[in-house]
Amino acid sequence: DAMVIQNPRYQVTQFGKPVTLSCSQTLNHNVMYWYQQKSSQAPKLLFHYYDKDFNNEADTPDNFQSRRPNTSFCFLDIRSPGLGDAAMYLCATKGLNGNQPQHFGDGTRLSIL
Amino acid sequence: GDSVTQMEGPVTLSEEAFLTINCTYTATGYPSLFWYVQYPGEGLQLLLKATKADDKGSNKGFEATYRKETTSFHLEKGSVQVSDSAVYFCALSENGNNRLAFGKGNQVVVIP
Repeated sequence: DAMVIQNPRYQVTQFGKPVTLSCSQTLNHNVMYWYQQKSSQAPKLLFHYYDKDFNNEADTPDNFQSRRPNTSFCFLDIRSPGLGDAAMYLCATKGLNGNQPQHFGDGTRLSIL
Repeated sequence: GDSVTQMEGPVTLSEEAFLTINCTYTATGYPSLFWYVQYPGEGLQLLLKATKADDKGSNKGFEATYRKETTSFHLEKGSVQVSDSAVYFCALSENGNNRLAFGKGNQVVVIP
């Protein structure tokens, strides 16, 4: 049973048109992450939430925003997608124990027309 | 800062061959170490982990031993199958740190 669920699996949007990707979890984990992964590369952390505390990575463009309305859900908003934002976007969760691994969803493949 | 280095380039081998993917790390403290696997079009799945020196993680025939003296966590499998074709990422997390440091990943292609 999927524990970190991302919707949709594939998303197509137009250049400059705002888009929202969603992630939900059934693990009740405190930490939720958003990563961007481009072809043949490792995932790149965009930001993460520790409960309601938002932690932005220093090199994450302002074009990327996030919301976490409750423990279970987290959203990635791309305000004005450019061609360079086409990528796989991965959501992950983690419990509080420092030794615990991150659990990943299957990702959303974003295409920009 | 923390970093993970994986051997360069894809790995192509025949079915039933022995697989080794090298991983070395740099960390200031005592990290937890992970191997993740990514099948085409999917997210990352935890393959195995080790949380302290000399621990051996194992799963689905894969093994890796946390070697503090050589700061390594090499992944091995004795007899690979076509279904093992995927990208493998080595990663570390410092205790108390919520971030993962990833290696660049290795594409493994198993030929029948």
